[in-house]
Amino acid sequence: DAGITQSPRHKVTETGTPVTLRCHQTENHRYMYWYRQDPGHGLRLIHYSYGVKDTDKGEVSDGYSVSRSKTEDFLLTLESATSSQTSVYFCAISETAYEQYFGPGTRLTVT
Amino acid sequence: KQEVTQIPAALSVPEGENLVLNCSFTDSAIYNLQWFRQDPGKGLTSLLLIQSSQREQTSGRLNASLDKSSGRSTLYIAASQPGDSATYLCAVGVDSNYQLIWGAGTKLIIKP
Repeated sequence: DAGITQSPRHKVTETGTPVTLRCHQTENHRYMYWYRQDPGHGLRLIHYSYGVKDTDKGEVSDGYSVSRSKTEDFLLTLESATSSQTSVYFCAISETAYEQYFGPGTRLTVT
Repeated sequence: KQEVTQIPAALSVPEGENLVLNCSFTDSAIYNLQWFRQDPGKGLTSLLLIQSSQREQTSGRLNASLDKSSGRSTLYIAASQPGDSATYLCAVGVDSNYQLIWGAGTKLIIKP
C-alpha cells in the first residue's frame, strides 16, 4: 500500500469551531487531493495541490482552505465547521497517469 | 459539466455468477476512466485504468471496457466470490491536473 496516513481518523466537533485534517505521504508524489464522500454523491474534490505551495480549488471548495508547505503534508482546514461538512474525508496522492492512491479516510461529525 | 452515473446503486447475486457493473458519463472528452473498489470503512483501491485511446483492460477475473462515443464503461467480474463484495466506483479523468469526476458507486453483495 502507498504510504498515506490521515489524522485524525475520527473527530466530533461543534458548529463554529475550526478543524484541521492532516494528510501525510511518504511516497514523494507531486499531486495531493482532498475529497469528501457523502451518500449518493460519490467522491467530490475539495482542493488539490500540484506542488509545494501550489494549490487550486475543486468542485466543492466553499468553506474549506488548504496548505502545503512540504511535499509530504497537505492540510485541510474548516475555518468554521458547519453541520453540512459532516462527511468522510479522503486524501489521495498521484504522480502520473491519474493513478491516485487513497488514505484510509477521516470521519468528521459536526454537531 | 461532466457527470458520471452508476446504475444500479446496489446489486446482490449468488456466488459463482458472472456480472456486469455499468458506468455512464455525459462528456466524451475524457483523458481516461478508472474503476475503484471500496471496502466498508476503508479507502479506495484502483482496480483498472483505461486510457482514452484504449477499449478495454483486464486484470485477473476483471475486465473493463470503454466506449467513449456512447459515454459508457462496463466492469465485468467473472466467477464472482464473496470476497468481491464491496462498493465499486468509476471515475473519469477530465484535465491535465489529473482531476477525477466520480460516480456514486454500485454496492455489490455476493451471497455464498
